[in-house]
Order: sequence, then C-alpha cells, then structure tokens
Amino acid sequence: GAGVSQSPRYKVAKRGQDVALRCDPISGHVSLFWYQQALGQGPEFLTYFQNEAQLDKSGLPSDRFFAERPEGSVSTLKIQRTQQEDSAVYLCASSFFSQETQYFGPGTRLLVL
Amino acid sequence: DAKTTQPNSMESNEEEPVHLPCNHSTISGTDYIHWYRQLPSQGPEYVIHGLTSNVNNRMASLAIAEDRKSSTLILHRATLRDAAVYYCILNGNQFYFGTGTSLTVIP
Repeated sequence: GAGVSQSPRYKVAKRGQDVALRCDPISGHVSLFWYQQALGQGPEFLTYFQNEAQLDKSGLPSDRFFAERPEGSVSTLKIQRTQQEDSAVYLCASSFFSQETQYFGPGTRLLVL
Repeated sequence: DAKTTQPNSMESNEEEPVHLPCNHSTISGTDYIHWYRQLPSQGPEYVIHGLTSNVNNRMASLAIAEDRKSSTLILHRATLRDAAVYYCILNGNQFYFGTGTSLTVIP
C-alpha cells in the first residue's frame, strides 16, 4: 500500500502562531514516531505512540509541543506559540511494532519567521 | 540508551565498494543494529538490520563484529544514487540517529 504521508510538506509561520502537522501512517502499523531534524543534524526523537496510547514523550522539547493519535491511526503534532528555534523538518515514521523497521514520511519543513 | 559513533564523512569512487564503519561499544544483548540512509530532502530510508550474524540484501551487506561492538555497512558497487547520509542506529523504542556519515560518490 501507500507509504507514510505527511502534510503540509512546507509551512511558514509567524512567531507566536500555532501550527498543526499531520501524519498518515502505513495502514495497520501499530507504532508511530515523531522526530525533529534541524539543519545538518540527524533526526531527534520527539514522541512515540502504540495505537492511540502515547507511551513516550520524553523528547518533546517543551510544553508547547503536543501530539495525539486519537483513533490509533492518523497523528497530529501541534506546536503552540511557535518560536524561531522550532524551525526544522518534522519527520513521522510508522512500524508494525516498536522495535521493527520504521518507515518514514517525507517530512514537513517548518520555518518560523 | 546505547549510542553509536560514525565518521562524519567518507568518499568513494563510483562502482567501487564502500565500507561504512560504526562503533557501538555499549550495545546491549537485545539491541538490533539498523542502518538507514537519508537522501537530500527526503525522510530516512531503511537499508538493512541485523542482530549477530552478517546480513545481505539487495541494497547492501552488514558485517557485525563477533563482540557486536562494531559493524560495517558494505555497498558493493557505489553509484551516484548512493550519495546520502548513512545512519547506524541501535533500536529500542527510540532510534538515536546521531549525525551519521555523509557519503560522497565521485564519478
């Protein structure tokens, strides 16, 4: 079937705006991961879901970041009151189970002005 | 969680083999070794993974040291399309990517 999709692919926000980034995982994948990738760096873990349960959110940089996966499929990463340091590519990945191979989406490039 | 160490960059001539090293001296007995690569403006792409034995697939080979403290990703004949950042990762519930190795393939 289709791979992991993310939308929007690009987002420009003014400092202080709220943004919502969407991830559609591969159908049937139980686990879903969010990563943040700054320019020139490797992806950094943000949070992890198993079905609708958020089992690990230790990588979320502040309480302005919030993720949900209410029906165990689509997930949304929300960033409130965006700051310039939030500018990065946000990657979503899914897998059958948590320690299986992860399949990544193309990412959402967020630019906060 | 165990971390990995990779060289920042490597170069290879086209159609020659490439050996990308990775050190993971604090690996635990249940950690699988995964390799991903990331082409410009794309999400990471799975390459190969293994636990103890060497592994081969259509993309690459993975050689794992007997003590599992290091591994090597082998691209048998590098092509220009193999130019990417290669990440060696030990899995748990979180994948720690580090900064990876940027591979340049010279025509």
